[in-house]
Amino acid sequence: KAGVTQTPRYLIKTRGQQVTLSCSPISGHRSVSWYQQTPGQGLQFLFEYFSETQRNKGNFPGRFSGRQFSNSRSEMNVSTLELGDSALYLCASSLGQMRGETQYFGPGTRLLVL
Amino acid sequence: AQSVTQLGSHVSVSEGALVLLRCNYSSSVPPYLFWYVQYPNQGLQLLLKYTSAATLVKGINGFEAEFKKSETSFHLTKPSAHMSDAAEYFCAVSPQQTGANNLFFGTGTRLTVIP
Repeated sequence: KAGVTQTPRYLIKTRGQQVTLSCSPISGHRSVSWYQQTPGQGLQFLFEYFSETQRNKGNFPGRFSGRQFSNSRSEMNVSTLELGDSALYLCASSLGQMRGETQYFGPGTRLLVL
Repeated sequence: AQSVTQLGSHVSVSEGALVLLRCNYSSSVPPYLFWYVQYPNQGLQLLLKYTSAATLVKGINGFEAEFKKSETSFHLTKPSAHMSDAAEYFCAVSPQQTGANNLFFGTGTRLTVIP
């Protein structure tokens, strides 16, 4: 089975712009979670989508949003970029059926905001 | 609320020495606990997970962890470090509520292996 894929792998944007990141989960997985990883804050949960619905969200401003398509692929969008949004954005997929399932991570998208 | 604390942001060991990475958890319900490893410029890879089936959990690459409820700990060990073990290691816990499939991560421990 192919693993979790994320595109693009690297992005450079300027403040005020918006960005869209994409995540394709493992085949058969219906849950996709997004995380932000920074040196200062570590790994922080953004949101989780399951069957095209946001099921859970972390404590991030409304500039961060996401969606999931019928094929379980997910996108996250960050509007009005700030310097502090520079981070590695990781997505993870799982079956989404029960607590404690293994989450499988993609390689991440590294975003640099100038 | 559930959380994990990793003691020691950096750990250095000599090649062949014991690896011990510490993780303590906080959870009011039986926890699901995980250890992930991250190599430079890569995503996270699952090493092992605890789901209450057995307190001693064996994972990949010779790693294992023991769940100790009395100490609220889930420390990761490997008897003999290898150069390829140099990476960052994260302990994580599942949320308590049903229907939540995300993880809460510790701050990570960077392992250096000295030849």
